[in-house]
Amino acid sequence: EADIYQTPRYLVIGTGKKITLECSQTMGHDKMYWYQQDPGMELHLIHYSYGVNSTEKGDLSSESTVSRIRTEHFPLTLESARPSHTSQYLCASRLAGAQETQYFGPGTRLLVL
Amino acid sequence: KNQVEQSPQSLIILEGKNCTLQCNYTVSPFSNLRWYKQDTGRGPVSLTIMTFSENTKSNGRYTATLDADTKQSSLHITASQLSDSASYICVVSAYSNDYKLSFGAGTTVTVRA
Repeated sequence: EADIYQTPRYLVIGTGKKITLECSQTMGHDKMYWYQQDPGMELHLIHYSYGVNSTEKGDLSSESTVSRIRTEHFPLTLESARPSHTSQYLCASRLAGAQETQYFGPGTRLLVL
Repeated sequence: KNQVEQSPQSLIILEGKNCTLQCNYTVSPFSNLRWYKQDTGRGPVSLTIMTFSENTKSNGRYTATLDADTKQSSLHITASQLSDSASYICVVSAYSNDYKLSFGAGTTVTVRA
């Protein structure tokens, strides 16, 4: 079992609300990632970080933002949630190196009404 | 077009039977290929990893094969159990500074008693 945690696991929220999805890992990994996954579709990278104070946008355009103030913490924020943000959000982390395994959190399932 | 294509999209098998999942990729330059298992409502968990020089890798009842020349991989599940019901995702890593991951859409396996 990977030591990577996400909260909340499920969230139902109204349009226009600000939300923050939490992700923490206790493995000391420098690299952390946020993915968006819709049913039956592949994971899409929306943000990643290679260390403290390093954040980059991924392949999929997203209105969310991230921060990396501490190695173990990589929260994702939506300033104004919309129904189009309804999806599953997966956080992941890994060590550097081509063969290193990427460990995933359990995911946050978000429903915006 | 996704660089990792999986087939079939879904399949149903009886407990105790075997099945094989397919993955074709166009990712280049190739670094490694992983198979992940994702249980419903959970994050993906790594099953196997294969580099260019490896053509088979086993993890219990799971056996993955890789043909780097044809850019094809398969995951064989032997003597299926109810707990094998999950989505199986093929993930290919490109050899680059970022070792970017490309995800397949997954094959949903349902094992019935």
